[in-house]
Amino acid sequence: QSALTQPASVSGSPGRPITISCTGTSSDVGNYNLVSWYQQSPGKAPRLVLYEVTKRPSGISSRFSGSKSGNTASLTISGLQAEDEADYYCCSYVGTNALLFGGGTKLTVL
Amino acid sequence: EVQLLESGGDLAQPGGSLRLSCAVSGFTFNNYAMSWVRQAPGKGLEWVSVVSASGSTTYYSDSVRGRFTISRDNSQNTLSLQMNSLRVDDTATYFCAKSTGQYQLLGSFDSWGQGTRVTISS
Repeated sequence: QSALTQPASVSGSPGRPITISCTGTSSDVGNYNLVSWYQQSPGKAPRLVLYEVTKRPSGISSRFSGSKSGNTASLTISGLQAEDEADYYCCSYVGTNALLFGGGTKLTVL
Repeated sequence: EVQLLESGGDLAQPGGSLRLSCAVSGFTFNNYAMSWVRQAPGKGLEWVSVVSASGSTTYYSDSVRGRFTISRDNSQNTLSLQMNSLRVDDTATYFCAKSTGQYQLLGSFDSWGQGTRVTISS
């Protein structure tokens, strides 16, 4: 199964919002509210920033929010900060006792 | 504090075997499913396998099914991944990861280890 589709890169200015999309199919993203998002800085382990589409783990800034429409989930970061610069990965349950990650998006803070 | 520490990564030849381990602390290990996720050099994340909290249920990605075996020892708070018939494309950093919800098998991962590097080359 191919990876979920994410833009390879996005960029934004400090203080502005950015949105990263994650497109799957009606068999995965569109069928389950089990989409999660991970932030990964170079050389580091991934960090969970959103789960079950919209939920934030303890300690994650409220600037991170999630949504889903049809087969596309989105991560929005409001009030972009330099520390948000990282790679972001979406992940979805695919209904066959498996998980599928997106290809990853490199976020650059200008 | 939740801690996950992987070990066992090494250089191996194609067709060979390796066994990875993940020692955990800071949470009630036998209440959570655990997974392995890998990342090839310069590439994205790939889910590999999951084992249920009790160890009775396991699932694998298509790319490793039949070659890798996931297991856990709840008395020792350790997770393992036995990797056989290794291929060059198994080269990656392997992370162990804790499921977010108690008894949730597949969903999200709220804690990750730092990873152990596996290189398959002749």
